[in-house]
Amino acid sequence: DAMVIQNPRYQVTQFGKPVTLSCSQTLNHNVMYWYQQKSSQAPKLLFHYYDKDFNNEADTPDNFQSRRPNTSFCFLDIRSPGLGDAAMYLCATSRDRAIVGSQPQHFGDGTRLSIL
Amino acid sequence: AQKITQTQPGMFVQEKEAVTLDCTYDTSDPSYGLFWYKQPSSGEMIFLIYQGSYDQQNATEGRYSLNFQKARKSANLVISASQLGDSAMYFCAMREPRSNDYKLSFGAGTTVTVRA
Repeated sequence: DAMVIQNPRYQVTQFGKPVTLSCSQTLNHNVMYWYQQKSSQAPKLLFHYYDKDFNNEADTPDNFQSRRPNTSFCFLDIRSPGLGDAAMYLCATSRDRAIVGSQPQHFGDGTRLSIL
Repeated sequence: AQKITQTQPGMFVQEKEAVTLDCTYDTSDPSYGLFWYKQPSSGEMIFLIYQGSYDQQNATEGRYSLNFQKARKSANLVISASQLGDSAMYFCAMREPRSNDYKLSFGAGTTVTVRA
């Protein structure tokens, strides 16, 4: 029944070693988002895709990149993880972005990233 | 400026009692949407309830209701008959299609602990 699936749930990587987090959706939504959430804080939007159109937040570090090869999948690549990148990473989807309405963003269960 | 303010970092509530979580917002858009999400310790973000700025009635979803006071710019969440499974972090969020398009602005969150 899961509609937004993130793999893995827990990821451990070494300082400076590239890591990729994945997200897939069965909702056929146009928009996919990546958020970073540190302990006891609100989620922080890193970037989003509207179809193939990539939109980066102004304060997202260059270290973070994303790929969306098709509607269903989106990847978050961290090129050289630092200790400050340890966080929960949440993927979310929505049907579209501009129309006011009760269209919530649907979140995955998140990937908790630890850096050694 | 903070778009969403949640002034209660943490709250305790007795099982079976009601609890109100405060949320105030700031926007100049005439059209906006307000959302509440629940995040248990396992990490997933669960959509609870939505209120549109033009909705005449307060939103309700099962044990969740939203006390929407537009003139005061507040959108408090009321959880009735609290259960142990309600222990989680709760986020208020706002979507402003005209000025902020697709993005959700989150509050800092309120941690609710339900006591048996």
